[in-house]
Amino acid sequence: QSALTQPASVSGSPGQSITISCTGTSSDVGGYNYVSWYQQHPGKAPKLMIYEVSNRPSGVPDRFSGSKSGNTASLTISGLQAEDEADYYCSSYTSSSTLYVFGTGTKVTVL
Amino acid sequence: QVQLVQSGAEVKKPGASVKVSCKASGYTFTSYYMHWVRQAPGQGLEWMGIINPSGGSTSYAQKFQGRVTMTRDTSTSTVYMELSSLRSEDTAVYYCARPMSPGSYCSGGSCFNLDYWGQGTLVTVSS
Repeated sequence: QSALTQPASVSGSPGQSITISCTGTSSDVGGYNYVSWYQQHPGKAPKLMIYEVSNRPSGVPDRFSGSKSGNTASLTISGLQAEDEADYYCSSYTSSSTLYVFGTGTKVTVL
Repeated sequence: QVQLVQSGAEVKKPGASVKVSCKASGYTFTSYYMHWVRQAPGQGLEWMGIINPSGGSTSYAQKFQGRVTMTRDTSTSTVYMELSSLRSEDTAVYYCARPMSPGSYCSGGSCFNLDYWGQGTLVTVSS
């Protein structure tokens, strides 16, 4: 089971919107509505930002939104803020024996 | 409040084993599965496996089959992850993580929404 594919880096200015893609296959992203997104600041544990494609856990700002089309999921951050600078990982349930796979990770830089 | 507190950093020689603990508090321990995820230095996240603290059943990622063992102690609300035959590529931060829904309310992928994480345990494998 290979990792899901994400762009290595995405950047934007404060207030702008950015979108991070996450490409998998019909065995993971395309086959299930169990895509999650995690935010990770340096030296910290990951934080769940989006689950089951488009749901936000309590406390996550509505600037964060998720969607999916076919084998590609996306995380959009609207109104980018300095504290959004972090690494972001997508993940998906998978039909393979591995059961759960993460993306390669995307470093978000706020210019 | 939910807390997952992991054991401290470890340094091991190649070929040895390591056992990392994760003590849970603030919720009913046996009601929620527990996952283990690792992250090599400067690398991405990698799912290792899941344990049901209620009955002790486990499921491991294929990559770790035969080398990883996850157990639990319900008397202390602690789960353990033991990795054997360590090699340098196992140098990583190991995290325990709890999903947002209890086992009785999740199925399939919904048991993988990892809402609470431990602070991480650095395991260094070096001769």
